[in-house]
Amino acid sequence: RKEVEQDPGPFNVPEGATVAFNCTYSNSASQSFFWYRQDCRKEPKLLMSVYSSGNEDGRFTAQLNRASQYISLLIRDSKLSDSATYLCVVSSASGGSYIPTFGRGTSLIVHP
Amino acid sequence: DAGVIQSPRHEVTEMGQEVTLRCKPISGHDYLFWYRQTMMRGLELLIYFNNNVPIDDSGMPEDRFSAKMPNASFSTLKIQPSEPRDSAVYFCASSLYDHGYTFGSGTRLTVV
Repeated sequence: RKEVEQDPGPFNVPEGATVAFNCTYSNSASQSFFWYRQDCRKEPKLLMSVYSSGNEDGRFTAQLNRASQYISLLIRDSKLSDSATYLCVVSSASGGSYIPTFGRGTSLIVHP
Repeated sequence: DAGVIQSPRHEVTEMGQEVTLRCKPISGHDYLFWYRQTMMRGLELLIYFNNNVPIDDSGMPEDRFSAKMPNASFSTLKIQPSEPRDSAVYFCASSLYDHGYTFGSGTRLTVV
């Protein structure tokens, strides 16, 4: 089983739609969780951290379910500019350091 | 802050040549990561440093790859000799503790 798994998609949705992505992780001792966004031929950029109680940033909502070992990202009222690849990141402690593991990403295409 | 700075942005080299990629992390960050991204394998962690010390290089594909961090503001990733299968985008990222990772713009390497 891969450490961090995501549905590669693509998710093809119309503007204004609500779309949700899930990401599962295998290390139950993982401590920090993030969603990153990567545009074509660009570097990944931090979208939002994921907190245990869930958190929201505008149209974006992230949730963590430790019992089932997954995190989710919900995008409401999709915009054309939301088209990108969304990467799930799980960080685990190892010998006093933290190692981030990236999922392969989920591709989102928002069309008019 | 100027962010994570990588050079060169693009590198085209012939098989067998030595390639050196450079990275300047964000000042004050204590972690530095080198990643490689390809369509086939996604983002792969090659090596990471904590306070300039290499912690885990298990992701380095072969002895042809080496990385150094002589001080807190500079790191290099060297490939010698380069091979066509090394063609990829190489990203450097830095972080403060486990508070999210900032990526450089990447170096697009093509080995012909």
